[in-house]
Amino acid sequence: DAGVIQSPRHEVTEMGQEVTLRCKPISGHNSLFWYRQTMMRGLELLIYFNNNVPIDDSGMPEDRFSAKMPNASFSTLKIQPSEPRDSAVYFCASSPRQGDSPLHFGNGTRLTVT
Amino acid sequence: SQQGEEDPQALSIQEGENATMNCSYKTSINNLQWYRQNSGRGLVHLILIRSNEREKHSGRLRVTLDTSKKSSSLLITASRAADTASYFCATAPGGTYKYIFGTGTRLKVLA
Repeated sequence: DAGVIQSPRHEVTEMGQEVTLRCKPISGHNSLFWYRQTMMRGLELLIYFNNNVPIDDSGMPEDRFSAKMPNASFSTLKIQPSEPRDSAVYFCASSPRQGDSPLHFGNGTRLTVT
Repeated sequence: SQQGEEDPQALSIQEGENATMNCSYKTSINNLQWYRQNSGRGLVHLILIRSNEREKHSGRLRVTLDTSKKSSSLLITASRAADTASYFCATAPGGTYKYIFGTGTRLKVLA
């Protein structure tokens, strides 16, 4: 079991550029979550999917953020255009099913927007 | 707003001592989960306690849940330097699977 795989591990970009973060969930997991972590705001849930369908995206901060899950083994979080305040660590997590099951986290993507 | 909040925010103890962290949440829940995060890493699941359970053990971990007070505690017994990390509780408002994490407790275990 390779765990949840996120790429890239680090991303440095200039303000205004498009950023795409990638996540491969654990095979067989049906739920996928995107979180953002900063010192000021802690861990924020951005969006979660179940069976590839977005269930709740109320945490997505602005229209500049979008997330997709084209199939069960891949998800992307895109920021266009990026801003310095988007700098954070972005985590992807997957879970076997909705309900009483733990979340398995990737090691995150540290995004720095200059 | 945060669904859960942990206290204390930071805790420093000597190796071998017990560490207790508390979590309070706001709405009805189906379960409460505790996670650990080492610096620069993703969160790791420690233990899940369902709303109809009052206490659960896993190795050196003991979790309690009081749904009437909307609170939970995590006890780590006989702490080790390797337990140094941040600890978070996570809950989903009843009827949803929208897991929201608390503010975390930073635990430092001194060797």
